[in-house]
Amino acid sequence: NAGVTQTPKFQVLKTGQSMTLQCAQDMNHNSMYWYRQDPGMGLRLIYYSASEGTTDKGEVPNGYNVSRLNKREFSLRLESAAPSQTSVYFCASSVGGARFEKLFFGSGTQLSVL
Amino acid sequence: DAKTTQPNSMESNEEEPVHLPCNHSTISGTDYIHWYRQLPSQGPEYVIHGLTSNVNNRMASLAIAEDRKSSTLILHRATLRDAAVYYCILLTDSWGKFQFGAGTQVVVTP
Repeated sequence: NAGVTQTPKFQVLKTGQSMTLQCAQDMNHNSMYWYRQDPGMGLRLIYYSASEGTTDKGEVPNGYNVSRLNKREFSLRLESAAPSQTSVYFCASSVGGARFEKLFFGSGTQLSVL
Repeated sequence: DAKTTQPNSMESNEEEPVHLPCNHSTISGTDYIHWYRQLPSQGPEYVIHGLTSNVNNRMASLAIAEDRKSSTLILHRATLRDAAVYYCILLTDSWGKFQFGAGTQVVVTP
């Protein structure tokens, strides 16, 4: 049972470089999410996709773009990485986004921007 | 926004129950109470959730106060694999928009 798969697991970038974090889920979920977690802090929502073909900003969207490629895949792009984007990034999915649904998280991508 | 308050850490002996408290005095009537846990170097894992009534599943039990201003996650028999940060969060809106606090670090000693 793969669940939510994120790649890569680790990445080091230089300031100004770009990269895309990949996320795929195999649970046929409609909704997908990107969060970041800074040391000692809880998760903050970057972007979400309520369903295939739609994306919306979360709490901290600046400096990021997303693409819902299909129902399975939701990618997060950093166009010009900054040291403030050093964080652990988690992708998650849920059936439909309702408040009573559980979220399924990937294992995360540790990103360092030098 | 509704927020939660949890103790920073709790310690338990293996095979003993663990009661993790959470205060959410500003909860509204439609907010769901969710618990997740996060093991080192892993993503959060769903534990349990509820609205008004107490809930049980294979992992834990959730006891919700009658006025809903507090709740308690109960791990019936702690194991070493239960050592993690436990987050009590309120889903006040759809689409994964929740207040994620600092959580409670649970330490389980053999």
